[in-house]
Amino acid sequence: DSGVTQTPKHLITATGQRVTLRCSPRSGDLSVYWYQQSLDQGLQFLIQYYNGEERAKGNILERFSAQQFPDLHSELNLSSLELGDSALYFCASSVGQAIEQETQYFGPGTRLLVL
Amino acid sequence: AQTVTQSQPEMSVQEAETVTLSCTYDTSESDYYLFWYKQPPSRQMILVIRQEAYKQQNATENRFSVNFQKAAKSFSLKISDSQLGDAAMYFCAYRMYSGGGADGLTFGKGTHLIIQP
Repeated sequence: DSGVTQTPKHLITATGQRVTLRCSPRSGDLSVYWYQQSLDQGLQFLIQYYNGEERAKGNILERFSAQQFPDLHSELNLSSLELGDSALYFCASSVGQAIEQETQYFGPGTRLLVL
Repeated sequence: AQTVTQSQPEMSVQEAETVTLSCTYDTSESDYYLFWYKQPPSRQMILVIRQEAYKQQNATENRFSVNFQKAAKSFSLKISDSQLGDAAMYFCAYRMYSGGGADGLTFGKGTHLIIQP
């Protein structure tokens, strides 16, 4: 158990809908990262937040957005869903402060199926 | 942009034998970090080992060790005394050095490791 929690574990929805994925980082971690794992694209970095602020952006679509709240949990919002958005979405967290501790620990993932 | 290449989609090894998984990467940075993550059928991503580019000594973690060749931009993972529980997808990942800890990981496509009993 990495200490990172994600809810829900599974999500089934229809095209055009909007969903929210939730992540709670490990205790003491200030950075949260979101990744998408799909058969087509492999594992892709989407976005990073540090202590409530966006720090880095990867291959995140404009239909997707994220935020990190004062209690450090994060939410990834996916809207106007398409079939191709079906994937496993991971959240990871790290201390985000000292380089020697900059290892990302992954949550169990949320499996999204868009029908 | 940085890229990570794992040229072996699948590898098979007998239990108790040694296997080496290959990874090469492309970067113009001089300081960075490299990782191997394991993803068993449960889909959980588990950190296996990490290597700092500024360290010449190869990292080891029990039965897992790396061969880091900075000039060749090569980062292979050796698993000794393979066990059935080692069966998984293995991903090589790169992260550039950043004082603020910014930037996500860039992953390779993965190598599926099969352990033959």
